[in-house]
Amino acid sequence: AQSVTQPDIHITVSEGASLELRCNYSYGATPYLFWYVQSPGQGLQLLLKYFSGDTLVQGIKGFEAEFKRNQSSFNLRKPSVHWSDAAEYFCAVGGYGGSQGNLIFGKGTKLSVKP
Amino acid sequence: NAGVTQTPKFRVLKTGQSMTLLCAQDMNHEYMYWYRQDPGMGLRLIHYSVGEGTTAKGEVPDGYNVSRLKKQNFLLGLESAAPSQTSVYFCASSLQGPYEQYFGPGTRLTVT
Repeated sequence: AQSVTQPDIHITVSEGASLELRCNYSYGATPYLFWYVQSPGQGLQLLLKYFSGDTLVQGIKGFEAEFKRNQSSFNLRKPSVHWSDAAEYFCAVGGYGGSQGNLIFGKGTKLSVKP
Repeated sequence: NAGVTQTPKFRVLKTGQSMTLLCAQDMNHEYMYWYRQDPGMGLRLIHYSVGEGTTAKGEVPDGYNVSRLKKQNFLLGLESAAPSQTSVYFCASSLQGPYEQYFGPGTRLTVT
């Protein structure tokens, strides 16, 4: 079955510290992978995406993610967190192999930032 | 270029009332989606459409109906609202199914 797991429901980091949000997926075909961010009261905004090629992808707001096929993971990273990064983050997987081509979303990780 | 817009932004209904949520996109996308978001549940797909005149059920379709008479619009209807339908509803669109989705700002619906 296709699924996305974000093991951490809530993470708190200090401003200026590094960040890694975990995402593991199960998908029967070549996956397309996405990270979205949702600020309070807002819709979801695309941070970055991976379709093929270089497994380290750069996104907006200084975020990057690395696709590791052998670990079925697509973790999101940022070297130095800013207070404005406090939000909820969603990982998603899609592709032509199933789920009618629709994206499958994880349940999200809420990020809090300490001053 | 407004992207994806949703109306209304907020709505309060009494149990048994009906309403329609409107989603519009100006990106000429083929695919459109309706999700609901509840605390701790992530996003759950209600219905989706792969093109004008088509609709399909998602993960949680019961109690909702949809229509896509024009490519740019996707309507979500609640015929007889129930308190369990209190949620935040998001519309999204994408060029094709597996590609990135663009989200609207959401509609917060409360059913009393």
